[in-house]
Amino acid sequence: GENVEQHPSTLSVQEGDSAVIKCTYSDSASNYFPWYKQELGKGPQLIIDIRSNVGEKKDQRIAVTLNKTAKHFSLHITETQPEDSAVYFCAAVGAGSYQLTFGKGTKLSVIP
Amino acid sequence: DVKVTQSSRYLVKRTGEKVFLECVQDMDHENMFWYRQDPGLGLRLIYFSYDVKMKEKGDIPEGYSVSREKKERFSLILESASTNQTSMYLCASSGGRGRNEQFFGPGTRLTVL
Repeated sequence: GENVEQHPSTLSVQEGDSAVIKCTYSDSASNYFPWYKQELGKGPQLIIDIRSNVGEKKDQRIAVTLNKTAKHFSLHITETQPEDSAVYFCAAVGAGSYQLTFGKGTKLSVIP
Repeated sequence: DVKVTQSSRYLVKRTGEKVFLECVQDMDHENMFWYRQDPGLGLRLIYFSYDVKMKEKGDIPEGYSVSREKKERFSLILESASTNQTSMYLCASSGGRGRNEQFFGPGTRLTVL
């Protein structure tokens, strides 16, 4: 089955700096890669996703890049703000599947 | 606004008790999922269902069962709770084939004493 590795497990940045979280996946047939943000006491919420036919996607201060050859994808957050502090999860979905396989998460702390 | 609700935010049970966790979604989604979340282990899939009365095992189904009698409701059952089932339990739903975005509930923090 699919295996998703996520790094780093914790990340601290100064407010205004950029943050990058990286994930690798094992199943070359995977075709959907979402990123979720989980704030304290809440369930994960989708913040951005990318499909395998696209190399990059942006939404304001967040962007995701996908390298299918290397089987890795990354989340980029620019101009970080304290409200970006949360746990971020990457995930992958295989072709024809309903099932998300999640990375173990990255705890991002933005220091004011 | 889409919504997934879970019956309890916090639950304390004793070893050996039968425990029911309920999840309801109002989006008419075909697919529903139960995960458990533990520090350092991320989200692990317990069971999922792609239709009423249908269920599929996820990665860690041992010690759990599920029930889906109605499209909007998916229940997770711990037949005989054990201390190693103390965890955060998250329910999610998604639309039909080709619609992968999952919407999560707020979670139930279960403690088994």
